[in-house]
Amino acid sequence: GEKVEQHESTLSVREGDSAVINCTYTDTASSYFPWYKQEAGKSLHFVIDIRSNVDRKQSQRLIVLLDKKAKRFSLHITATQPEDSAIYFCAASGGNYQLIWGSGTKLIIKP
Amino acid sequence: GPKVLQIPSHQIIDMGQMVTLNCDPVSNHLYFYWYKQILGQQMEFLVNFYNGKVMEKSKLFKDQFSVERPDGSYFTLKIQPTALEDSAVYFCASSFEGVGNTLYFGEGSRLIVV
Repeated sequence: GEKVEQHESTLSVREGDSAVINCTYTDTASSYFPWYKQEAGKSLHFVIDIRSNVDRKQSQRLIVLLDKKAKRFSLHITATQPEDSAIYFCAASGGNYQLIWGSGTKLIIKP
Repeated sequence: GPKVLQIPSHQIIDMGQMVTLNCDPVSNHLYFYWYKQILGQQMEFLVNFYNGKVMEKSKLFKDQFSVERPDGSYFTLKIQPTALEDSAVYFCASSFEGVGNTLYFGEGSRLIVV
């Protein structure tokens, strides 16, 4: 079946540096790519998304890049802060109604 | 922001018994989902539901699983009978439209089957 691979299971960066989380997908029909954040012991909430009609989207300190040819998309968090520490999940649309999820990247922000 | 409520937050149940997990989705949302997460790992899609019907389900959605939303009340996931491998956190989510719209997740129901 279709898959989304999230390459970094854990990522540790120093506070103030940038963090980059990479995902690849297999379904050439995927057109919607959201990112969700899960803080320890809590639920997921939406952070940013990108659709296949653009290759870059920015919302404050978050940048999402999409390379359709390589079937790769990435989340860039600039000027990281302690509250950015969480597990980040990428996903890609698959089928009419569902998302296919990556396995999650635990982002640790070191002081 | 919009909230999805899940009841119970935790449940311990004997293998073979039935369990019902309840979800109160965002009030004007039309699409409902159940996901399974084991040990804070990957979110596994189980099923989605729209207009009173299951639209898509994964191979994890075994015959022992069922979903319904009777009369617009709670969206429920029932497991009967439960098995040890059903131990997980089950997240309910809802969205106004289908894929391509933001999902709003509940806090999860932690199910432990012993």
